[in-house]
Amino acid sequence: KQEVTQIPAALSVPEGENLVLNCSFTDSAIYNLQWFRQDPGKGLTSLLLIQSSQREQTSGRLNASLDKSSGRSTLYIAASQPGDSATYLCAVKKGAQKLVFGQGTRLTINP
Amino acid sequence: NAGVTQTPKFRILKIGQSMTLQCTQDMNHNYMYWYRQDPGMGLKLIYYSVGAGITDKGEVPNGYNVSRSTTEDFPLRLELAAPSQTSVYFCAIEQYPGEKLFFGSGTQLSVL
Repeated sequence: KQEVTQIPAALSVPEGENLVLNCSFTDSAIYNLQWFRQDPGKGLTSLLLIQSSQREQTSGRLNASLDKSSGRSTLYIAASQPGDSATYLCAVKKGAQKLVFGQGTRLTINP
Repeated sequence: NAGVTQTPKFRILKIGQSMTLQCTQDMNHNYMYWYRQDPGMGLKLIYYSVGAGITDKGEVPNGYNVSRSTTEDFPLRLELAAPSQTSVYFCAIEQYPGEKLFFGSGTQLSVL
């Protein structure tokens, strides 16, 4: 059974710092991996999607990497801003429909 | 282009009542999903549909039913509400497997 773990559950850093969020999964036979952002009381917004054949994806200040052999993905946020404060979830797709979510990391950027 | 619209945003039910959570999309995507999110937890798949007329169970389908008569609509039905169904419900869409998911803003349901 695929399990997805995100550590830490919460992270607080000062504005301007570069930071890394971690995601680990137990079964390396994945279809793809997505990183989502969730603001309080809102739905999820897909930030980056990495296919199983890819090693990383970049969008603006965000960079996500994927290492299937070790069952790990990282989301790198450069020059953090207060507007980056949100919960970040990773999700692994195994099979055409089954998406398994981690519990999320609640990120707070302090001005 | 509203994307994915969920109604209602909030609802309080008494034990044993029934209700339908609505999900409508205007992006003409084939795949539609219902997830629930419990506090501090990740999302769990309830039901999904790969196209009009086709639905299948996800990880936690007990106590729920769905239908997909059109591409646009994918309602989720709770027949006999129980306190364990207190959660936030999200509808999501996907054009093809392996592409990005788009989520609605959610329905917060409390069963008392």
